[in-house]
Amino acid sequence: AQTVTQSQPEMSVQEAETVTLSCTYDTSESNYYLFWYKQPPSRQMILVIRQEAYKQQNATENRFSVNFQKAAKSFSLKISDSQLGDTAMYFCAFMRGSGNTPLVFGKGTRLSVIA
Amino acid sequence: NAGVTQTPKFRILKIGQSMTLQCTQDMNHNYMYWYRQDPGMGLKLIYYSVGAGITDKGEVPNGYNVSRSTTEDFPLRLELAAPSQTSVYFCASSYLQGLGEQYFGPGTRLTVT
Repeated sequence: AQTVTQSQPEMSVQEAETVTLSCTYDTSESNYYLFWYKQPPSRQMILVIRQEAYKQQNATENRFSVNFQKAAKSFSLKISDSQLGDTAMYFCAFMRGSGNTPLVFGKGTRLSVIA
Repeated sequence: NAGVTQTPKFRILKIGQSMTLQCTQDMNHNYMYWYRQDPGMGLKLIYYSVGAGITDKGEVPNGYNVSRSTTEDFPLRLELAAPSQTSVYFCASSYLQGLGEQYFGPGTRLTVT
């Protein structure tokens, strides 16, 4: 079975600064996806970024980027130029196979952006 | 498109009562999922479906039932509600060429007292 571990229950960052959220996972699969989801106080789950395991290049989406270390089974999220709207719970998630299988989530990291 | 819709948004049940959480998607997605989120935790899979007429258990299926008679709808049935089922319930869907992205509904907050 796959497991996802987020070791930072809470973090805070000053507005405009950079913050990195950690995630490790355990799997014997060779083909999989990794995701970061954002959950603001509205409770809506919002996809932030996605990484395919077969791709060596780290994914980026505007101010969000990942550091994917496949051998170490590590998948951290870097948020640059933090904004007040980034305040939310962030969940790391694993999906085995080539898609359309259930997600396995970590427990989340609560990020607070401070003005 | 409305995306994934869930009703109700909130519900309070008494112990032993039953109810159905509704989930509908208008994106013609084959794959649908039910997750629950307990306070301070990540989401856990209850049931999922790969198409109409096909369902399978997830990590925490006890106390729940599902059916998938159409592509659009994936209701979750709670029989004999228990306090341990107090949680936020999310429905999600995905499609074959979607590179794994799941589209989530807004969630249903259920309290069993």
